[in-house]
Amino acid sequence: DGGITQSPKYLFRKEGQNVTLSCEQNLNHDAMYWYRQDPGQGLRLIYYSQIVNDFQKGDIAEGYSVSREKKESFPLTVTSAQKNPTAFYLCASSMMGTLNTEAFFGQGTRLTVV
Amino acid sequence: DAKTTQPNSMESNEEEPVHLPCNHSTISGTDYIHWYRQLPSQGPEYVIHGLTSNVNNRMASLAIAEDRKSSTLILHRATLRDAAVYYCIPQVMNRDDKIIFGKGTRLHILP
Repeated sequence: DGGITQSPKYLFRKEGQNVTLSCEQNLNHDAMYWYRQDPGQGLRLIYYSQIVNDFQKGDIAEGYSVSREKKESFPLTVTSAQKNPTAFYLCASSMMGTLNTEAFFGQGTRLTVV
Repeated sequence: DAKTTQPNSMESNEEEPVHLPCNHSTISGTDYIHWYRQLPSQGPEYVIHGLTSNVNNRMASLAIAEDRKSSTLILHRATLRDAAVYYCIPQVMNRDDKIIFGKGTRLHILP
């Protein structure tokens, strides 16, 4: 079945280590997104990409990096420069031109830094 | 950018209709109104969207005011599984396809 997959579901890392979260989609969507969600809060946009080999910063890009080498994949690296990395991370994808189409979300990765 | 205002939380009894309001008074004529919901510990899921006229699907109905400054998501018969945070999101042309979430409305369903 078509969909968007995030892995792993839970991730634990020591402070100061970089960690990469995986996001894969087989929906043939051009656009992909990364969001961060803190407890009891809404989703905040980290990075988004409209096309392979191109991406733009969202509202809270500092301390994060992404790549878009393949249409299907949009991995997010949480670097040691991110001051408070513990959060719920959500990936999404959509067709280009989201005005009249829906976005699909993964089930999220819960990152805990100890 | 179009701003939205939604109640922080609402309650409804199980098996009764629920009307979730959203004000988007700065919306432009080409902005679609999308609704998503997020169940606990899950990613958001699409519910419905529309431009001018009312829309229905298997999950819900969307009633859009004639002046488009507000809309109402209608769950016709709430179940406990409908307990979630509901987000109203205007999709704005020329915003580089960004999807921006507000705080949404937390819907509690009482058995």
